[in-house]
Amino acid sequence: DTGVSQDPRHKITKRGQNVTFRCDPISEHNRLYWYRQTLGQGPEFLTYFQNEAQLEKSRLLSDRFSAERPKGSFSTLEIQRTEQGDSAMYLCASSLDRDTEAFFGQGTRLTVV
Amino acid sequence: AQRVTQPEKLLSVFKGAPVELKCNYSYSGSPELFWYVQYSRQRLQLLLRHISRESIKGFTADLNKGETSFHLKKPFAQEEDSAMYYCALQAWAAGNKLTFGGGTRVLVKP
Repeated sequence: DTGVSQDPRHKITKRGQNVTFRCDPISEHNRLYWYRQTLGQGPEFLTYFQNEAQLEKSRLLSDRFSAERPKGSFSTLEIQRTEQGDSAMYLCASSLDRDTEAFFGQGTRLTVV
Repeated sequence: AQRVTQPEKLLSVFKGAPVELKCNYSYSGSPELFWYVQYSRQRLQLLLRHISRESIKGFTADLNKGETSFHLKKPFAQEEDSAMYYCALQAWAAGNKLTFGGGTRVLVKP
């Protein structure tokens, strides 16, 4: 599969634990986006990267959230001290540049118990 | 700030009947509008974008700037059209991120 890949697909964690998700974009795609989707809602923007530079962060991204894309390839999203409200589907998308189609991964479903 | 509204959570139609999914947006500039679709157990994928002005799988959507709408239409629904549909807006001045509506579930009954 040469599409956007996300790992893990599912994660169950206890409240207060830290979790990290990984996204591998389509090769040579410069832009990488993270979205969060809760039940019954559309995806909500969290942050995006142009190569390794993080260019925008949503106000939804509290200080417990951090994202990196160290070499401009894969990206990680870490949530520290998870809360039950963090339970959601976390989606990653990539695009070649600002004018081209964004391709989505299958998502990582996080459940905080 | 931009906003996308999809007033219908669920649309249930019979096979062969027309289907129209409503989408309204608010944005002060000139947005680019999209429809994304998510079939059961599949990832979110682009269905069509307004600048392409093309019909995909029999679906069309017209951008009406006066009414700030981008409704999705198909004259004869098929069972394989059953899916979640999301309208999305992309604003050049807002980092090109997508702002999604809440989604409409379409159920096409045989």
